[in-house]
Amino acid sequence: DTGVSQDPRHKITKRGQNVTFRCDPISEHNRLYWYRQTLGQGPEFLTYFQNEAQLEKSRLLSDRFSAERPKGSFSTLEIQRTEQGDSAMYLCASSFKGPQGYEQYFGPGTRLTVT
Amino acid sequence: AQSVTQLDSHVSVSEGTPVLLRCNYSSSYSPSLFWYVQHPNKGLQLLLKYTSAATLVKGINGFEAEFKKSETSFHLTKPSAHMSDAAEYFCVTNFGNEKLTFGTGTRLTIIP
Repeated sequence: DTGVSQDPRHKITKRGQNVTFRCDPISEHNRLYWYRQTLGQGPEFLTYFQNEAQLEKSRLLSDRFSAERPKGSFSTLEIQRTEQGDSAMYLCASSFKGPQGYEQYFGPGTRLTVT
Repeated sequence: AQSVTQLDSHVSVSEGTPVLLRCNYSSSYSPSLFWYVQHPNKGLQLLLKYTSAATLVKGINGFEAEFKKSETSFHLTKPSAHMSDAAEYFCVTNFGNEKLTFGTGTRLTIIP
């Protein structure tokens, strides 16, 4: 399968713990995005990278959140001191520039439950 | 500001009947608009996109959408529903940049 992959698919953690998620984009895609989706809502943009550079961060990305893409390939999203409000599906997407601009391809997501 | 509003949170249709999922957009200029589908335990999949080339856009799996500027709408339709169409559907826009802005979603149920 050459699509976007995310690991783990599910994570249960206790409040106050740190968690890290990984995203592997489609290999030729130079842009990578993170979104968060809470129950009953559409995904919300968190941040995106072009190669290893983080170009934009949403106000939703508090100081407890950090994302990296050190070699311009896979990316990690870390949440420190998790809170119950962090429980959500974390989605990763990647894209490249085609004839009609960038088209984002999504991974299956990591579902985080904070107890 | 640009946004999209999905008018129905839940739509139920019988198998073999037409599907209509409604979306209105708010934008000060001609937007890029998309429909994505999300099946349980699967990633979001792009159904179709409008980028001003043609007002009637055909997508995958028999879906299509028509951009109507006068009504600020981008409704998704399919002539005949199939059981496999049961999923969550999102109307999406961007601001001419990288961020996708999603509507709240419409859950489509197919009645056998």
